[in-house]
Amino acid sequence: SQQGEEDPQALSIQEGENATMNCSYKTSINNLQWYRQNSGRGLVHLILIRSNEREKHSGRLRVTLDTSKKSSSLLITASRAADTASYFCAQNTGTASKLTFGTGTRLQVTL
Amino acid sequence: ETGVTQSPTHLIKTRGQQVTLRCSSQSGHNTVSWYQQALGQGPQFIFQYYREEENGRGNFPPRFSGLQFPNYSSELNVNALELDDSALYLCASSLSPHGEQYFGPGTRLTVT
Repeated sequence: SQQGEEDPQALSIQEGENATMNCSYKTSINNLQWYRQNSGRGLVHLILIRSNEREKHSGRLRVTLDTSKKSSSLLITASRAADTASYFCAQNTGTASKLTFGTGTRLQVTL
Repeated sequence: ETGVTQSPTHLIKTRGQQVTLRCSSQSGHNTVSWYQQALGQGPQFIFQYYREEENGRGNFPPRFSGLQFPNYSSELNVNALELDDSALYLCASSLSPHGEQYFGPGTRLTVT
């Protein structure tokens, strides 16, 4: 079963705009990771944020984590058409490196 | 490219048959995790192998089984295939059980 949920389920923006996706989860985590997936292919790792971190940046990506609210957000600034994909948050919990994924946000960036 | 490869790319099987999917991990990675992704859903954790031993299992029946070899490549076996087993099967390798996971392109299995 999915532990987390992304919001919104779908997002359509124009190139150059910012895109914000939110993720909520249910149990304590070791870390939270964001992935991108193009057209049902493999997942590409974007960024990992540990449970004791509150914010992390990587290029045009900014991730925040609020463990008290069990939520995270992914901000993509100055979006490009190539950012069109599905974005998933995944929680790492337990002793194994098990990742629990949400249902994803489908981002469409138009010219 | 993550360096993780999976074979085959696509596969069509009949209900009741058995299937074996293969995954070659990235060089130096000793951990492989397998996920099932149904259409329109997020991936679901099947199990993880660390140094040839199962190191965690998700909510999948015993007919889903796996192996990890001394070179850390891995197989996922599914017996008595059901229609609901149709999905994209993803493997991911990592340097350790808690490390960043690098995913392969997946195997799309269709059960008819």
